[in-house]
Parts: sequence; structure tokens; C-alpha cells
Amino acid sequence: KAGVTQTPRYLIKTRGQQVTLSCSPISGHRSVSWYQQTPGQGLQFLFEYFSETQRNKGNFPGRFSGRQFSNSRSEMNVSTLELGDSALYLCASSAGGTTGNTIYFGEGSWLTVV
Amino acid sequence: GIQVEQSPPDLILQEGANSTLRCNFSDSVNNLQWFHQNPWGQLINLFYIPSGTKQNGRLSATTVATERYSLLYISSSQTTDSGVYFCAVDHHMIKAAGNKLTFGGGTRVLVKP
Repeated sequence: KAGVTQTPRYLIKTRGQQVTLSCSPISGHRSVSWYQQTPGQGLQFLFEYFSETQRNKGNFPGRFSGRQFSNSRSEMNVSTLELGDSALYLCASSAGGTTGNTIYFGEGSWLTVV
Repeated sequence: GIQVEQSPPDLILQEGANSTLRCNFSDSVNNLQWFHQNPWGQLINLFYIPSGTKQNGRLSATTVATERYSLLYISSSQTTDSGVYFCAVDHHMIKAAGNKLTFGGGTRVLVKP
């Protein structure tokens, strides 16, 4: 069974640009969540999608957005990039439904903003 | 929101040694997981353990939900155990409303040969 797949793995963007990251969950998983990891703030929850609906949202500005498609694949978008958006972005999937499911992470997308 | 604290922040071990990592959380939880982050950044799920005790090879974990802490035991450590160990929880208020993990600050483990 394939794990959580994230693309691209590494990318460099310029301040002011926008970026889209993609995540394919484990087959059969309907919940996809996104996390940002930085040295200063640690691992922080961005948002969670379930059946194409945003079910939970963290404390990030509106520049951070996401969506989920009917096949459970998810994308997150960051517009008007700032230097502080440089981070490892991690996607996770779980069977979904209610909390209590084991959550599995992908390898992450390393974003550098210059 | 819920607070998650891990200790110690750093741990240096000689290969073969045993160790205990601790995770304290400030409120009732529905979900508690331990992860190992490898040098390439991937979070590897070790245990899903909101309560009770589990063992997997040289690793074991115990969560005492009523006292709001969890312990991860590493026995006979190997150099491949190096990395950062994270505890993450889902607040009980999140029940039936999805997944929203709150992570601790992690314990950085270095196992020397």
C-alpha cells in the first residue's frame, strides 16, 4: 500500500510569488491535513480536509489556503510568499470520520523563499 | 488550546543504552501519537496510544491518560534511533470533528557508536 505522497519535494520561490503543494493520501483515507514545520515555531497545524470540506483550521493568515478533490487528493496554496514562509510543509492522512484514527505523514515539501 | 511539553529537549546516548522520553499534556485527549522524525524530515508513526501500553520491538510506550502524560521507552539504543521524537495529541474537544494534532517541542536524540 503506497504511503502519503507529496510533490514537489523541494522548491525555491521568490518573495511575492505564490506556490501550490500537492498531497496524495493513502488509498482509502478521506482525511488530509497539512502542517508547517519551522525551527522557531515547531510543528503547527494548518488545516484539515475531509470529503472535500475544510473541517478544521489553524491560526494562519488567509494567504494559506487549501482544497481537497473528490479522489481525496489535496493541494495547499500560499500566496504572496514571505521569507517567513520558508518551512517544511507536511501532509498527513487518516481514515477520517472521527478523531482517534492513526495519522500518517508524507515526506514533506521543503519550501525556501528568497 | 491544549499544551504539550516534552522532556528532555536533548538526549545523548551511548549505543546499547536505555532511555525514557516524557510527554505531558494539559487536558484530556482523544488521540496521542509518538513520531520519529528522520534526518530527511519524514515523520514516522511509532505508536497510536491514547491510553495503555504498547510495545514494538525495542520501543514501548505507556500513556496514563488520567495523569496526562505519556512515556516512550527506547531499549538497547542503536545509531539508527537518532533523530527527533515528537509527541502529538488531539484535544478531546476535537472529538467527532476531525484531526487537529498539537505537537510537543520534541526530544532530539543522538546515539553515539
